[in-house]
Amino acid sequence: QVKLQQSGAELVKPGASVKLSCKTSGYTFSTSYMSWFKQIPGQSIEWIGMIYAGDGGTGYNQKFKGKATLTVDTSSSTAYMDLSSLTTEDSAVYFCARGYGFAYWGQGTLVTVSS
Amino acid sequence: IQMTQSPSLLSASVGDRVTLSCKAGQNINNYLAWYQQKLGEAPKLLIYNANSLQTGIPSRFSGSGSGTDFTLTISSLQPEDVATYFCQQYNSWTTFGSGTKLEIK
Repeated sequence: QVKLQQSGAELVKPGASVKLSCKTSGYTFSTSYMSWFKQIPGQSIEWIGMIYAGDGGTGYNQKFKGKATLTVDTSSSTAYMDLSSLTTEDSAVYFCARGYGFAYWGQGTLVTVSS
Repeated sequence: IQMTQSPSLLSASVGDRVTLSCKAGQNINNYLAWYQQKLGEAPKLLIYNANSLQTGIPSRFSGSGSGTDFTLTISSLQPEDVATYFCQQYNSWTTFGSGTKLEIK
């Protein structure tokens, strides 16, 4: 069955960067799209961007350009998201999801930005 | 595309028929999904393409609407339906509504 397993919670200092991972199984990763989403607890869900694993092509929500960088490693069927220059406003749960989400989501990674 | 959900909070009794609303800022060609999200969990797909029930979802959930106005209906509210419900458009990239929190009265 399809699985998306995300990396564990992160506690990072303001100004630092963090790289989140999303390891997939149960489907053909190399011909699929992966999206990343941000959700501050108690609030709505924001789409950060999407990457096509076939060629690494990306599309970003304008709000997250310069903040997030999406990459993939097709040899391990894993997607990554780098978040840079972190501030307290980046504290949130981050989800990976196949395509635009729908039925297949990771469990989420909590990122806390604090000194 | 902006998505507006109402109400933001809904309190109803077990067995009630419940209706949640979602309005798109422009025509989204029925590329509309509904999700249920419980605390600490990922969103769970209920409805896609405005009115198609996802496999494994109870038939008390249904979706309707077209163009810019959409509705999620729960025909008989159950205690396990307590959650926050989000709509999502995927006609142009994707955006989510602000959510409706559903409580039992």
